[in-house]
Amino acid sequence: QSVVTQPPSVSGAPGQRVTIPCTGSSSNIGAGYDVHWYQQLPGTAPKLLIYGNNNRPSGVPDRFSGSKSGTSASLAITGLQAEDEADYYCQSYDSLSGSTVFGTGTKVTVL
Amino acid sequence: QLQLQESGPGLVKPSETLSLTCTVSGDSISSSSYYWGWIRQPPGKGLEWIGNIYYSGRTYYNSSLKSRLTISVDSSKNQFSVKLTSVTAADTAVYYCARGGATVTRPLGYWGQGTLVIVSS
Repeated sequence: QSVVTQPPSVSGAPGQRVTIPCTGSSSNIGAGYDVHWYQQLPGTAPKLLIYGNNNRPSGVPDRFSGSKSGTSASLAITGLQAEDEADYYCQSYDSLSGSTVFGTGTKVTVL
Repeated sequence: QLQLQESGPGLVKPSETLSLTCTVSGDSISSSSYYWGWIRQPPGKGLEWIGNIYYSGRTYYNSSLKSRLTISVDSSKNQFSVKLTSVTAADTAVYYCARGGATVTRPLGYWGQGTLVIVSS
């Protein structure tokens, strides 16, 4: 059972903005550890989407942005496109368990 | 360009040992200051971190798997491996290898394509 939770699903129409919350605790996100986000398209390996809370690797569209506050983080997708339909995972470090922790994952559906 | 490729048996019997290898190309495990990790994903479920190994050989394991888990490096072959003993059906998953950053708080920037391991008699 993950210590970092995400809603199972979010959806939006093409062109809309959706946000995915990632809720942790004082031993992980709230302790100041960075949050990273991964996009997993169907049948493929996860791909790094956002690192260090709000940084995009080269090649990631600026439609994707990240933020962090307190014990939570959030991924925003603006101008939602059909190709954004995928599973999204946040990731951080938990000092209580000494472990890398993944969020429970969120499936984004484009209506 | 850095590439990682998992390999190993796709079918393991219950109570036996699951062994997978990740072959790295485009970077040297022993000369780079990164950590190398294993992550798994049961069918239809989320990602679970298994453990990391640093270029120095130091390991960090998921506490829920620690008693059954060994991660090691073979620098001569530029590979790192995972062994999980006494497997059950709950260990059925796609297993990914990945490269992290200089510390465990850094992201997993490079991933292998993953390999499905089914535990069944």
